[in-house]
Amino acid sequence: DAGVIQSPRHEVTEMGQEVTLRCKPISGHDYLFWYRQTMMRGLELLIYFNNNVPIDDSGMPEDRFSAKMPNASFSTLKIQPSEPRDSAVYFCASYSQRGYTDTQYFGPGTRLTVL
Amino acid sequence: QKEVEQNSGPLSVPEGAIASLNCTYSDRVSQSFFWYRQYSGKSPELIMSIYSNGDKEDGRFTAQLNKASQYVSLLIRDSQPSDSATYLCAVKNYGQNFVFGPGTRLSVLP
Repeated sequence: DAGVIQSPRHEVTEMGQEVTLRCKPISGHDYLFWYRQTMMRGLELLIYFNNNVPIDDSGMPEDRFSAKMPNASFSTLKIQPSEPRDSAVYFCASYSQRGYTDTQYFGPGTRLTVL
Repeated sequence: QKEVEQNSGPLSVPEGAIASLNCTYSDRVSQSFFWYRQYSGKSPELIMSIYSNGDKEDGRFTAQLNKASQYVSLLIRDSQPSDSATYLCAVKNYGQNFVFGPGTRLSVLP
């Protein structure tokens, strides 16, 4: 398996632009998580899905952020409009609860810079 | 009060020594505890999970859990320069809500 795939790996955009981050979880995993990591705030859970359904979005910072999971193999995190304070590394992670571990597998991350 | 706390470090130990990393958490109902390693510029990777009080050993790594004291630790024996990384403590609370600590930066000096 190729692991969790994220694209793009790097994104540089200007304030006010729409940004879309993409994630393909590991096949067969029923949970998908979106995290944001900054030096100031560390690794924060933004939202997670179970079987494509959003379960907890309490970590989404504000209405400018939205996430979707239209099918089991694809999820997006959208920021519209983007602001400089959104600059961070965004990670997607997935795991299967059918196993007896809670091992989350993280993607390589998307480094977002908003100018 | 932060839910998961760790010393930010850096923690420096000489090669071959034991590195001791500590973590405290605030939610008494937490049931699952994890240690992740994150190299600079890379994504976190799970190295240990622990669910019951006591010790759990895996190679050079030992995780220790004390739910009464709300304390989790990670010991790395025979530390190697390749162990130099940031170690993140994580706690799973209600549902599948994973809360990560700020991480402790470990530096193993050759």
